[in-house]
Amino acid sequence: GAVVSQHPSRVICKSGTSVKIECRSLDFQATTMFWYRQFPKKSLMLMATSNEGSKATYEQGVEKDKFLINHASLTLSTLTVTSAHPEDSSFYICSAPGLAGSYEQYFGPGTRLTVT
Amino acid sequence: GQSLEQPSEVTAVEGAIVQINCTYQTSGFYGLSWYQQHDGGAPTFLSYNALDGLEETGRFSSFLSRSDSYGYLLLQELQMKDSASYFCAVRDRWSGNTPLVFGKGTRLSVIA
Repeated sequence: GAVVSQHPSRVICKSGTSVKIECRSLDFQATTMFWYRQFPKKSLMLMATSNEGSKATYEQGVEKDKFLINHASLTLSTLTVTSAHPEDSSFYICSAPGLAGSYEQYFGPGTRLTVT
Repeated sequence: GQSLEQPSEVTAVEGAIVQINCTYQTSGFYGLSWYQQHDGGAPTFLSYNALDGLEETGRFSSFLSRSDSYGYLLLQELQMKDSASYFCAVRDRWSGNTPLVFGKGTRLSVIA
């Protein structure tokens, strides 16, 4: 199956700083990537859909100025958490849709963000 | 929008069979998927049902009834490593830009 990587896997930052999370499709091109957020023992909540060459589409209630998404190339999407606060501490997971006609969605290993 | 309901927790004995139910409400429906997630890990795909009936993949089976907006995941011969969270998920459109929407997840604990 297709492989999606994320970096870093864990990050600890101080309040007020910004953190960038990278998501890469390793063996395929992804014009679209999805960003999810997951709190402990909770579901995956879709934050936004990242589109190569155009603006991301954010879900209702997600602050686009706080969670900056850039889809720089066909294999890279980044999520930047700006001016992070402790309540932003969460597990962030990116995902890419499967190849044309596929019903599967491929997930990265996730990034654990802790804001102190 | 979409909503999916599944039990929050299930406990079962090693070697037994367990069924995790999922009911959904969507504006459109393009299949019901099941994903497994171990603590701290990424979701991994288990199965997909587009049509009514049972799909079997090894110890795992998944069932769908579109008329009832209902599906379930059946895990047989439970092993300790099956302890994880299980999510049902749907898409309401069929396009590459449509993300999966997940249920709240069912935490399965397998005990000896």
